[in-house]
Amino acid sequence: EDQVTQSPEALRLQEGESSSLNCSYTVSGLRGLFWYRQDPGKGPEFLFTLYSAGEEKEKERLKATLTKKESFLHITAPKPEDSATYLCAVQGRGNTPLVFGKGTRLSVIA
Amino acid sequence: NAGVTQTPKFQVLKTGQSMTLQCAQDMNHEYMSWYRQDPGMGLRLIHYSVGAGITDQGEVPNGYNVSRSTTEDFPLRLLSAAPSQTSVYFCASSYRPDYNEQFFGPGTRLTVL
Repeated sequence: EDQVTQSPEALRLQEGESSSLNCSYTVSGLRGLFWYRQDPGKGPEFLFTLYSAGEEKEKERLKATLTKKESFLHITAPKPEDSATYLCAVQGRGNTPLVFGKGTRLSVIA
Repeated sequence: NAGVTQTPKFQVLKTGQSMTLQCAQDMNHEYMSWYRQDPGMGLRLIHYSVGAGITDQGEVPNGYNVSRSTTEDFPLRLLSAAPSQTSVYFCASSYRPDYNEQFFGPGTRLTVL
């Protein structure tokens, strides 16, 4: 059974304090790993897709990396507007549906 | 483009009532999905569709029906609402079947008393 575990559950950073969020996964053949951002009261917003170990994607202050067992979302010099819940999801081989983690709630304090 | 739209935004039902949550997208996406999000749990897939006339069950399909008569619309029907169906429901769509760049709607917050 495909599983996704995200850590920490919550993270509080000072503005400018870089850190990383972790997404550990077990899946029968990775078809894709996805990162989303979700603001309170809104639907998730797509950030990145990673397909194979060693792949990296960047967008503004965010950088996602992938190994065979986990993915990291690195946040460099975060700003208060980066505060949100970050969700990780995986899809295994075949037409299997996405499996989501419970998310990491990030708070960036000015 | 409006993207993915959902109606209503909020709904309160009594146990046993039925209702339909509406979802529409204007991006000509073939793939559409319904998820529910509960506190302390990840998003869970209810039903999905890979094109008009084709639907399939996800992880938690019991108590819900779907149909896909057009590419644009993907309604979710609650047949006989139960308190366990109290949740936030999200509709999503993507152009490709690998969920790359999946767009989510704003959600419907449903309370069943």
